[in-house]
Amino acid sequence: EVQLLESGGGLVQPGGSLKLSCAASGFTFSSYTMHWVRQAPGQGLEWVSGITGSGGTIYYRDSMKGHFTISRDNSKNTLYLQMNSLRVEDTAIYYCARDPGELYHLDYWGQGTPVTVSS
Amino acid sequence: DIVMTQSPDSLAVSLGERATINCKSSQSLLYSSNNKDYLAWYQQKPGRPPKLLIYWASTRESGVPDRFSGSGSVTDFTLTISSLQAEDVAVYYCQQYYRSPLTFGGGTKVEIK
Repeated sequence: EVQLLESGGGLVQPGGSLKLSCAASGFTFSSYTMHWVRQAPGQGLEWVSGITGSGGTIYYRDSMKGHFTISRDNSKNTLYLQMNSLRVEDTAIYYCARDPGELYHLDYWGQGTPVTVSS
Repeated sequence: DIVMTQSPDSLAVSLGERATINCKSSQSLLYSSNNKDYLAWYQQKPGRPPKLLIYWASTRESGVPDRFSGSGSVTDFTLTISSLQAEDVAVYYCQQYYRSPLTFGGGTKVEIK
């Protein structure tokens, strides 16, 4: 059974940093592109970033380049999102999701981890 | 960026009746080399992550009831729930994966009338 379990969210002050993790199981992690998608309170879905199975190709939403960094450790079956210089508008639930291709649809999603940026 | 526009924002349908959600993209999602439309549909229930329903515009994900169907091509797409059930109350999103950045429609909330 495919499982994705996010962690690392929490309350952080503006300007602070957080590193999210997504532990994967039930599939060959290194064979899949993985993504982060976020959802602000009461709002729709916003794609953040994606990384291919080898880590060799990384995609970002333009507004998040230099602000967020995606990475993965295939030996630990874990996806990461390093978030720096956090702003109030980064407050959201952050989901990791699996991609069966490279920039395709997202076939499995984790439960999400909430991030709140507030002073 | 490719802009995805859904309509309506919300709709109320009687149990057993048909629900239709529209999604329009600002650019063609049809890739000519494989004749596939790079469009997916998701269902999100309150407090839950999104769930994939349809991909390649009309291919139903395994385990999704056949009352859900996707149609359309190029820039205009439709998700149809042929006979609305109580458990279908949710917000539905379309998503394009023709090019980065992946973008979603604003969502359509489906309720029971």
